[in-house]
Amino acid sequence: GEDVEQSLFLSVREGDSSVINCTYTDSSSTYLYWYKQEPGAGLQLLTYIFSNMDMKQDQRLTVLLNKKDKHLSLRIADTQTGDSAIYFCAESYNNNDMRFGAGTRLTVKP
Amino acid sequence: DGGITQSPKYLFRKEGQNVTLSCEQNLNHDAMYWYRQDPGQGLRLIYYSQIVNDFQKGDIAEGYSVSREKKESFPLTVTSAQKNPTAFYLCASGGGRNYEQYFGPGTRLTVT
Repeated sequence: GEDVEQSLFLSVREGDSSVINCTYTDSSSTYLYWYKQEPGAGLQLLTYIFSNMDMKQDQRLTVLLNKKDKHLSLRIADTQTGDSAIYFCAESYNNNDMRFGAGTRLTVKP
Repeated sequence: DGGITQSPKYLFRKEGQNVTLSCEQNLNHDAMYWYRQDPGQGLRLIYYSQIVNDFQKGDIAEGYSVSREKKESFPLTVTSAQKNPTAFYLCASGGGRNYEQYFGPGTRLTVT
């Protein structure tokens, strides 16, 4: 089966940029997503990118997609303590099947 | 105020009992999904439904059952046949052209 892989932990200082990386294996994926999960809560959709795009920016968030290397990244500019959470990368090519990574726990230190 | 609700937030059951988790959405989404989340792992799909009165097994359907009698509702029953039911259960809805899914707040089930 296809896998989505992420590093498990990332720690940054408040005000720095955070970059969370993800690799996926299914070249047929049409959309790639980033979700945020705070403790004890559901997943919040942050952003998504269509597979024919290289980059998408939304306020402090920048998504980069390297389709050749099947590499997706999420950059959070000016990281704040409220950004501390688990971030999930996911891929999908239809409405039946969304594949998630194990999540990256981002810790923001003051 | 549109969204997805799951109830209850915490649920405790004795081993051998069936338990039903509620999921309701008022987003007018056709598709609904149930996932299980275990510590340090991603989400695993239990069941999904693309339309009323139809549903499909996901990757880990054994020991679970669902129904979809209304568009807004997709309850999940965790049966006594589920070997390791203690987990965080997440319901989602979607089915839009971007395939995105929107999640409820989750139900933490503890079986002892």
